[in-house]
Amino acid sequence: GDSVTQMEGPVTLSEEAFLTINCTYTATGYPSLFWYVQYPGEGLQLLLKATKADDKGSNKGFEATYRKETTSFHLEKGSVQVSDSAVYFCALRAAGTASKLTFGTGTRLQVTL
Amino acid sequence: DGGITQSPKYLFRKEGQNVTLSCEQNLNHDAMYWYRQDPGQGLRLIYYSQIVNDFQKGDIAEGYSVSREKKESFPLTVTSAQKNPTAFYLCASSIVPQETNEKLFFGSGTQLSVL
Repeated sequence: GDSVTQMEGPVTLSEEAFLTINCTYTATGYPSLFWYVQYPGEGLQLLLKATKADDKGSNKGFEATYRKETTSFHLEKGSVQVSDSAVYFCALRAAGTASKLTFGTGTRLQVTL
Repeated sequence: DGGITQSPKYLFRKEGQNVTLSCEQNLNHDAMYWYRQDPGQGLRLIYYSQIVNDFQKGDIAEGYSVSREKKESFPLTVTSAQKNPTAFYLCASSIVPQETNEKLFFGSGTQLSVL
């Protein structure tokens, strides 16, 4: 079945450091890929998405590129801020499963001054 | 402001008791979902509904029930049959996804704990 694997956290970085959170997936066909972010005590918000191979999603300085050859969708940011501290979820929706979003386990990011 | 409202924020359940979590949306979305979030396990789909008076089981429906009598409301009942109900419950909605790239809008969640 469809699955998403994320790197385990927590990830602790100093402000202005470079961030990478790895995400790989297993799915048939060509899924759409998403990154959601969850701030403390809140629900999830869509951060960015990509719908086909080589697409790059970007938002708020975060980027992720849909790599079909490596089945990956790694999240990156060049310079993190304390306000980026949150839990980040990688997710996919496979073709033909329009109602079902499959999530990874989430990666907690903590940014310190 | 349009959005999804979940209530209560915190809920406690006694042994053998059924409890109901509320989810209301004013986004005019057709589809609504319930997810359960456990530490280290990400989100798992409990039930979803694409249209009023219709719903389908997700991956972990046992011990839960839902109804969809109105477009804007999708309450979740955690029954006494759910032996491990302590978790963070998230409700979400979306325009009926005709394309796989449709995003979900989430509520702020309900933390359910067993007394």
